[in-house]
Amino acid sequence: GAGVSQSPRYKVAKRGQDVALRCDPISGHVSLFWYQQALGQGPEFLTYFQNEAQLDKSGLPSDRFFAERPEGSVSTLKIQRTQQEDSAVYLCASSLPATATGDETQYFGPGTRLLVL
Amino acid sequence: QKEVEQNSGPLSVPEGAIASLNCTYSDRGSQSFFWYRQYSGKSPELIMSIYSNGDKEDGRFTAQLNKASQYVSLLIRDSQPSDSATYLCAVNGDNTDKLIFGTGTRLQVFP
Repeated sequence: GAGVSQSPRYKVAKRGQDVALRCDPISGHVSLFWYQQALGQGPEFLTYFQNEAQLDKSGLPSDRFFAERPEGSVSTLKIQRTQQEDSAVYLCASSLPATATGDETQYFGPGTRLLVL
Repeated sequence: QKEVEQNSGPLSVPEGAIASLNCTYSDRGSQSFFWYRQYSGKSPELIMSIYSNGDKEDGRFTAQLNKASQYVSLLIRDSQPSDSATYLCAVNGDNTDKLIFGTGTRLQVFP
């Protein structure tokens, strides 16, 4: 079946511009995660949804970052007033809850590469 | 101290050799452990998951977990040039679904 999809794949923004990044999880996956990956680093957790509920947003670096998943499927990560330090790859992952299958594997989308000039 | 530590490499091995990748973690309550492979410019792809102490084998890959030593490793037998990538170790914390990643180990398999 289809995997996790993300759009756009690439985004160039001028400093101060707002951007919105979209994630379509695997159909039926309850859990959805956003990670930020800087060059040469491992992904870093930003936020997590179970269905439409945002259960953990402890990794969001500032109040300029906002995520939503209003119908428990597609999610949008919004960054307001982008700064150069926001340049990174933004990865979305989805999974079934471990209680359903015993498998906690998170499946990653292709990522959105954001460059802020 | 980072929560998940890996040697950044590069680890260079000849084709056909065994590559050994290591990872330590700090949260003693961690329950779930994952190895992801990431090719340059691509997203992480799951190689192995392991949840209990001991070895778990899948084809050329073996994951090893030692919770007492807070250590998890990945062995790749009969390494191929196509195995050249960055290998990310990831750990779930106790009572949390988020993954904590190491910085990754870059593996180079030369012909």
